[in-house]
Amino acid sequence: NAGVTQTPKFRILKIGQSMTLQCTQDMNHNYMYWYRQDPGMGLKLIYYSVGAGITDKGEVPNGYNVSRSTTEDFPLRLELAAPSQTSVYFCASSYSGKGQFFGPGTRLTVL
Amino acid sequence: DQQVKQNSPSLSVQEGRISILNCDYTNSMFDYFLWYKKYPAEGPTFLISISSIKDKNEDGRFTVFLNKSAKHLSLHIVPSQPGDSAVYFCAADMYSGGGADGLTFGKGTHLIIQP
Repeated sequence: NAGVTQTPKFRILKIGQSMTLQCTQDMNHNYMYWYRQDPGMGLKLIYYSVGAGITDKGEVPNGYNVSRSTTEDFPLRLELAAPSQTSVYFCASSYSGKGQFFGPGTRLTVL
Repeated sequence: DQQVKQNSPSLSVQEGRISILNCDYTNSMFDYFLWYKKYPAEGPTFLISISSIKDKNEDGRFTVFLNKSAKHLSLHIVPSQPGDSAVYFCAADMYSGGGADGLTFGKGTHLIIQP
């Protein structure tokens, strides 16, 4: 099992550009999450999903969108990139919410 | 307002000694607590957890203690090893770890094990 995979690993965007961060898990987990981690800070929840077709906002959803068309995939969309979105983005999944499995992260810089 | 606090940004411990990492929380609705370990350029990995119905959980060299009245938990690592050098995040959840709506994380403590 690959676990949770994220692409790309790194990306530099210009202000106003858009992009999609990809996340895939092969553990058949119902729950999936997107977090961001700013320097010196803990992880903050952006969006989460309890199953295909169901998504909900977390603590910091502004500027982002998500979709969950399959159990495996949970892409995160940035429509109009801003410098405040410079961060490391982690996708995670879990079976029951106990002990979430995290991907390796995507480091995004917006200039 | 931070609901999960790790007040020590870093901690240095000699190899073979005990490492104690602390975490405080403010939300009394939290009833499930987890510790994650993170190496640079990797995602966090689950280490150990504890439910609020317990006051101690042990897994090998790692023990987590929970003091509900003080809203405080701690992670003990005995003996500390060089591979334990990493950032440790404390996280909290409601609804007994049903966790559908994600975890609340502290800022992390950077543990450095010195030879």
